[in-house]
Amino acid sequence: NFMLTQPHSVSESPGETVTISCTRNSGSIASNYVQWYQQRPGRAPSIVIYEDSRRPSGVPDRFSGSIDSSSNSASLTISGLKTEDEADYYCQSYDNSNRLFGGGTKLTVL
Amino acid sequence: QLQLQESGPGLVKPSGTLSLTCTVSDGSISSSSHYWVWIRQPPGKGLEWIGSTYYTGSAYYNPSLKSRVIISVDVSKNQFSLKLNSVTAADTAVYFCAREKWDLLRFVYFDYWGQGSLVTVSS
Repeated sequence: NFMLTQPHSVSESPGETVTISCTRNSGSIASNYVQWYQQRPGRAPSIVIYEDSRRPSGVPDRFSGSIDSSSNSASLTISGLKTEDEADYYCQSYDNSNRLFGGGTKLTVL
Repeated sequence: QLQLQESGPGLVKPSGTLSLTCTVSDGSISSSSHYWVWIRQPPGKGLEWIGSTYYTGSAYYNPSLKSRVIISVDVSKNQFSLKLNSVTAADTAVYFCAREKWDLLRFVYFDYWGQGSLVTVSS
């Protein structure tokens, strides 16, 4: 199994752009798709990006995802930040029959 | 719209068995395109995948929990269940049931979630 490492927290101002990283410690980040989930306080997570960069219907195009093989990491970028984007964000991938989550990143919009 | 609802005791004694059921509404658990999942989240911490099951009963588990977990399906009731035995305080968490979307015989993402059920392990 591999691990996914995220920064514990990030903060940015409304209207700005923020990027959250998710680094895979072994094996290639491109080997298995990465998903991103948003979790607001007291709520269940919800998907914002799947298959590295695809957006489910209903998710604003301010949310985008990518992978970078040189750093072996995935990134979630949120542009035009709104206060409602303040939440915890989790990356997730899989390996054979296992599902793995990153430790989560708390996004503060201030 | 599909709905999932967890149910079960909110308090379990140490060394006992944690049992939860997830009831699926407005959708069939017998879908060929989905697995059914349990995920947990200790208070103030991150998400941990516990295991997933297909409607046929085929299941796979997180290796770190595999020796203590059973996930089962009851197609007639449109429910699936979690049993976690030999629990300790470290198993205190919000337990979510969710649906796992598959396409072309591979995992895509967790698309529907229950609201979560807090289970506390304490004497």
